[in-house]
Amino acid sequence: SQKIEQNSEALNIQEGKTATLTCNYTNYSPAYLQWYRQDPGRGPVFLLLIRENEKEKRKERLKVTFDTTLKQSLFHITASQPADSATYLCASPLSGGYNKLIFGAGTRLAVHP
Amino acid sequence: DVKVTQSSRYLVKRTGEKVFLECVQDMDHENMFWYRQDPGLGLRLIYFSYDVKMKEKGDIPEGYSVSREKKERFSLILESASTNQTSMYLCASSRGRLAIWAYNEQFFGPGTRLTVL
Repeated sequence: SQKIEQNSEALNIQEGKTATLTCNYTNYSPAYLQWYRQDPGRGPVFLLLIRENEKEKRKERLKVTFDTTLKQSLFHITASQPADSATYLCASPLSGGYNKLIFGAGTRLAVHP
Repeated sequence: DVKVTQSSRYLVKRTGEKVFLECVQDMDHENMFWYRQDPGLGLRLIYFSYDVKMKEKGDIPEGYSVSREKKERFSLILESASTNQTSMYLCASSRGRLAIWAYNEQFFGPGTRLTVL
């Protein structure tokens, strides 16, 4: 079955360092991947989208990569700040059908001062 | 500012009650979705709708039904609430149902935390 997985363990890093989160997918080839941020008690908010023919996408301090050989996307936050602490979700469309997305369970990031 | 609103932030119901969760979007989006989110399981799709009066089952539709009578409103109904339906329920919307819109992001509401006793 088609699966998308993220590291369930929380990532703890020091302020100013680069945070790297991983998203792996199996048994399908998504046309794109999306990354969302979710704060406690709130709905996810879209951050970035990367298409299968793009290797890398940047937006301010955020960078996303897409490696179709490794079936993996990496999400980087450079110069991380305590305000970046949140859960980050990756999502992709399933093969065929309408605009349905499958979401990973998310990785919680904690940035310490 | 685009918005998806949900009728309640917190809801407590008893086993066997009929529960209505309402979602409204003001972006004129074609697609609307209902998810539930549980620790360690992530977001799971219950139902979605790509047009008024149209609905499609998601991954976990059992015990739920939906209604979309107007484009901006998508309702989730728990016919007879059970304790295993205690969860965070999230509504989302996105633009366009054709493949050319496939890259558009989903906009989420704030969620309804439902507790069934």
